[in-house]
Amino acid sequence: AQSVSQHNHHVILSEAASLELGCNYSYGGTVNLFWYVQYPGQHLQLLLKYFSGDPLVKGIKGFEAEFIKSKFSFNLRKPSVQWSDTAEYFCAVMGANNLFFGTGTRLTVIP
Amino acid sequence: GAVVSQHPSRVICKSGTSVKIECRSLDFQATTMFWYRQFPKQSLMLMATSNEGSKATYEQGVEKDKFLINHASLTLSTLTVTSAHPEDSSFYICSARAATSGGRGEQFFGPGTRLTVL
Repeated sequence: AQSVSQHNHHVILSEAASLELGCNYSYGGTVNLFWYVQYPGQHLQLLLKYFSGDPLVKGIKGFEAEFIKSKFSFNLRKPSVQWSDTAEYFCAVMGANNLFFGTGTRLTVIP
Repeated sequence: GAVVSQHPSRVICKSGTSVKIECRSLDFQATTMFWYRQFPKQSLMLMATSNEGSKATYEQGVEKDKFLINHASLTLSTLTVTSAHPEDSSFYICSARAATSGGRGEQFFGPGTRLTVL
């Protein structure tokens, strides 16, 4: 069965700090992984996705994620966060036909 | 492009009534739409997968007679919460996958509908 774990429930950072949000998955099929962001009062938006190829994926707004197959991980990173990055971040794995989400990590960036 | 809308954005109803939520893909055709439920501080839980012109596929534990899904066209799916109870209060989110994207294509999410049952 597929599952996604996000161990950080709430992360608080100062502006310009570096960010890394953990994501571990479990899925026996072809791995397609996603990070979504949900800004306050807005809908889910795709940050980046991994389907195949280079395990280091770059997304929008300076985010990147690295797929490490041996660790079943797909951690999200950003070298320098901004106040506008305050949001909820969801990792997801594509199952046979649909997405399975982690519980989300709330990021609060302090100006 | 790839915009998904939901209506209404917020609804309050009395216990025992039924509520219909619409999900529309505004600028693309969606053969498949998905309905999720999100509890406070929890993940999105898939409720059902809706394919245009056929019956929806419900996830385990989701009552199909309570959560009626209709996907009558390539741009519209509806979720009707029948005989709503306070425990049905939640945030309902739909997503849509483009007809041209194949079975593992990107899903585009609607803004969600906050349902409160009194």
